[in-house]
Amino acid sequence: ELKVEQNPLFLSMQEGKNYTIYCNYSTTSDRLYWYRQDPGKSLESLFVLLSNGAVKQEGRLMASLDTKARLSTLHITAAVHDLSATYFCAVFIVGGGGADGLTFGKGTHLIIQP
Amino acid sequence: GAGVSQTPSNKVTEKGKYVELRCDPISGHTALYWYRQSLGQGPEFLIYFQGTGAADDSGLPNDRFFAVRPEGSVSTLKIQRTERGDSAVYLCASSLTPETPQYFGPGTRLTVL
Repeated sequence: ELKVEQNPLFLSMQEGKNYTIYCNYSTTSDRLYWYRQDPGKSLESLFVLLSNGAVKQEGRLMASLDTKARLSTLHITAAVHDLSATYFCAVFIVGGGGADGLTFGKGTHLIIQP
Repeated sequence: GAGVSQTPSNKVTEKGKYVELRCDPISGHTALYWYRQSLGQGPEFLIYFQGTGAADDSGLPNDRFFAVRPEGSVSTLKIQRTERGDSAVYLCASSLTPETPQYFGPGTRLTVL
């Protein structure tokens, strides 16, 4: 059974600081996704990571993937209040055993304070 | 273009009743997924359609849950004899193919009293 673990689950940080969210998964995966969810809203796709060593950046967010370590990170640079949200990583295995949908972590609830 | 739409946005029902939740995927997307998200948790996979057929229903919690996609576009998730534990946000997602990113709809918040 594929397991996806995120840490931390809760993070309160100040504007201007840097921080990293970690996502570990338990089996070889074809791809890893990062999503953002604002309160009461649906999920917004942030990044798709397809191969070992993949790095993608959008604004103050940067995601990376290490398939050998089964680890992805989401790094926040010089945080601003607008980045407050819950961030999910999700793993997908094409044609593998088990469910054909995404397996999500529990999410990291991020609060950025002025 | 239009994104994934879901109706209703909110549904309140009584224990034991039957409910239907509708998902209208992005036009041309062959893959359609249903997920359930409980408060404070990540979405949990329920069922995956490729075209008209349910390719994987391993996430459905029990036989009270059923979903259809008769024409390969709109899908309906059906829940019989609802229980309070069914209360959650039901999310639908679609993708062009199983290998491409999934786009999520706004969800239906189901409350079973």
